Amino acid sequence: DADVTQTPRNRITKTGKRIMLECSQTKGHDRMYWYRQDPGLGLRLIYYSFDVKDINKGEISDGYSVSRQAQAKFSLSLESAIPNQTALYFCATSEPQGDAFFGQGTRLTVV
Amino acid sequence: DAKTTQPPSMDCAEGRAANLPCNHSTISGNEYVYWYRQIHSQGPQYIIHGLKNNETNEMASLIITEDRKSSTLILPHATLRDTAVYYCIVRVWWSGTYKYIFGTGTRLKVLA
Repeated sequence: DADVTQTPRNRITKTGKRIMLECSQTKGHDRMYWYRQDPGLGLRLIYYSFDVKDINKGEISDGYSVSRQAQAKFSLSLESAIPNQTALYFCATSEPQGDAFFGQGTRLTVV
Repeated sequence: DAKTTQPPSMDCAEGRAANLPCNHSTISGNEYVYWYRQIHSQGPQYIIHGLKNNETNEMASLIITEDRKSSTLILPHATLRDTAVYYCIVRVWWSGTYKYIFGTGTRLKVLA
């Protein structure tokens, strides 16, 4: 089983719909992250969480919200999806001083 | 924030060494250089990282210049499975956590 699991792997949704992307990890790490990747670009940080009670905005948090339900689970929500949120979304985990481990990604298309 | 610059694409013959360059001229003294690769839009996979000294592991070697303004990732004997996009990344301290500054990556194609 993967250390960092994202669901769904692919999703097509309509403009204005609410959608949630889920991430779970078995690494036992406290820190979890959500990134998005656009074609030809690197990854950009959306939100990150130090632990269940500590959630912080990243570089591009507008239009997104997150929930850290447990140490192992970190969900990303789009309250009202728009087409420019079409992207590949990655969840990652790390120890405070350690390397980041990434999930397999969720390909989201907003039509 | 530190920025990385990489060539957009490279080809390498199977069995040869692949040398992937990266410029990070604005890197600060305590910021690490990381390399990840991404295959078929899967999650990025860790390869290697370093601060000042050259590093080697079972996957690759990382050569960092003395002034730390550039580095080279070396895959000593490239195979077809090494075809991927390789990201040179600077890890920076940002708002109480580490942030990984991804460049646009180099698309490496290993040719049979």
